[in-house]
Amino acid sequence: QSALTQPASVSGSPGQSITISCTGTSSDVGGYNYVSWYQQHPGKAPKLMIYDVSNRPSGVSNRFSGSKSGNTASLTISGLQAEDEADYYCSSYTSSSTLVFGTGTKVTVL
Amino acid sequence: QVQLQESGPGLVKPSQTLSLTCTVSGGSISSGSYYWSWIRQPAGKGLEWIGRIYTSGSTNYNPSLKSRVTISVDTSKNQFSLKLSSVTAADTAVYYCARETGEFDYWGQGTLVTVSS
Repeated sequence: QSALTQPASVSGSPGQSITISCTGTSSDVGGYNYVSWYQQHPGKAPKLMIYDVSNRPSGVSNRFSGSKSGNTASLTISGLQAEDEADYYCSSYTSSSTLVFGTGTKVTVL
Repeated sequence: QVQLQESGPGLVKPSQTLSLTCTVSGGSISSGSYYWSWIRQPAGKGLEWIGRIYTSGSTNYNPSLKSRVTISVDTSKNQFSLKLSSVTAADTAVYYCARETGEFDYWGQGTLVTVSS
C-alpha cells in the first residue's frame, strides 16, 4: 500500500493559520471517514489530534480542525503558536482492512 | 487511564527474528471493540503501520511486511506481541504499540530496535 501524500513542510508566523493536506485515493481517504491526524514532537510518541476526519479528542485545543473533500483530507491549525512546531501525520483506514500513514509534514513556526 | 509499554531486545542480528511485547495497563485488553497495533519509525523518517490484532485473535498486516510478520495476543497477561522474521538493517527503527479503533488513541513510548551484527 502507498503512503498518503503530505507536503514535506509548512511554515507560518505566530497567530497565522496553516493547512496541511493529506491526499490518498478512493480506497482510503476518499472511501472512509476514518481519517486521523497526529502531532509528534522530537523524541516523543505521536499524539492524536483529530479523529474521524473532524473530531477532536478531549484536551486538544480547538485551534486544530480537520476536514475532507474527495480523496484529500486537511488539518488546519489556527492561531499558530510556538508549541505547534512539530511533525504531523495523517492516517486512514483502507479497503484492505489495513491502516496507512501519510508521509509526514514538518511544521515550522517562523 | 490506559497505558502501553513496549519491551524486548534493543539489538537483533541480521537474519534473526525481532520479538517485542506490549503490556497494557489501566484496562483489560479484552474489553471494548479495540484493535491493538504495531507501528514503526526509522530514524528521521515517517510512521509505518505494521499490523494489528483484535482480541478475538483476528489479524491484519501491512502487505509489504505480511510475509515476515506475526502478531499475537495473550489476554491472560494483558499483552500482545510482534515477531518480525529475517530482519535486515532496514528494520532498524523505533517500534510503537498502540490501541486503535480507526484512530490510534493510546501509544506506548516506543522502543528502539537496532539490527546489527
